[in-house]
Amino acid sequence: DAKTTQPNSMESNEEEPVHLPCNHSTISGTDYIHWYRQLPSQGPEYVIHGLTSNVNNRMASLAIAEDRKSSTLILHRATLRDAAVYYCILRDMIYNQGGKLIFGQGTELSVKP
Amino acid sequence: NAGVTQTPKFRILKIGQSMTLQCAQDMNHNYMYWYRQDPGMGLKLIYYSVGAGITDKGEVPNGYNVSRSTTEDFPLRLELAAPSQTSVYFCASSYYPGDDTDTQYFGPGTRLTVL
Repeated sequence: DAKTTQPNSMESNEEEPVHLPCNHSTISGTDYIHWYRQLPSQGPEYVIHGLTSNVNNRMASLAIAEDRKSSTLILHRATLRDAAVYYCILRDMIYNQGGKLIFGQGTELSVKP
Repeated sequence: NAGVTQTPKFRILKIGQSMTLQCAQDMNHNYMYWYRQDPGMGLKLIYYSVGAGITDKGEVPNGYNVSRSTTEDFPLRLELAAPSQTSVYFCASSYYPGDDTDTQYFGPGTRLTVL
């Protein structure tokens, strides 16, 4: 699976939008972009995923660059509960039919009141 | 639904002891996974299963064994525990890693210390 690059840490203020970047310059045409987050002392939880088009759900939005070499997870209004490590993961839908996720080190997001 | 459950929550083992980490899911998911997470690191895949009776190795399988006799259960066995196996272990499951439903659900983890 292709590699992703994320900043080690980011800070945000409560109730402000947060843009978490992810670079994946070697992405292949069959790689889906997944985001998971891990709250302190918990297992990871799914946030969102997409292929080419921007995606929205109740938790977040995913903006994918036109060349797909980067993406941004957008939290529209950060709350203290959003403080977590956010992982950007590529999963090849053709060659990884076992569904395995390859986690990097992620971005640790802290949210200030 | 209880989702993915793991037992025990915590365990301390002595070097050379063995134990089984239990994982169960009640969502009728075909796919199940075991990951480990060392302090300050991302998760690493140990083993996974795409259905009852079918298992395969992940990135870090050495020192572990798995079995999948039912859809619901996916136990992870540690034989001859070593300090390098001190970690937090997460079990996960998913229905089928297709395009729209590609979501893994994780359990709360088992924190294992080997002394």
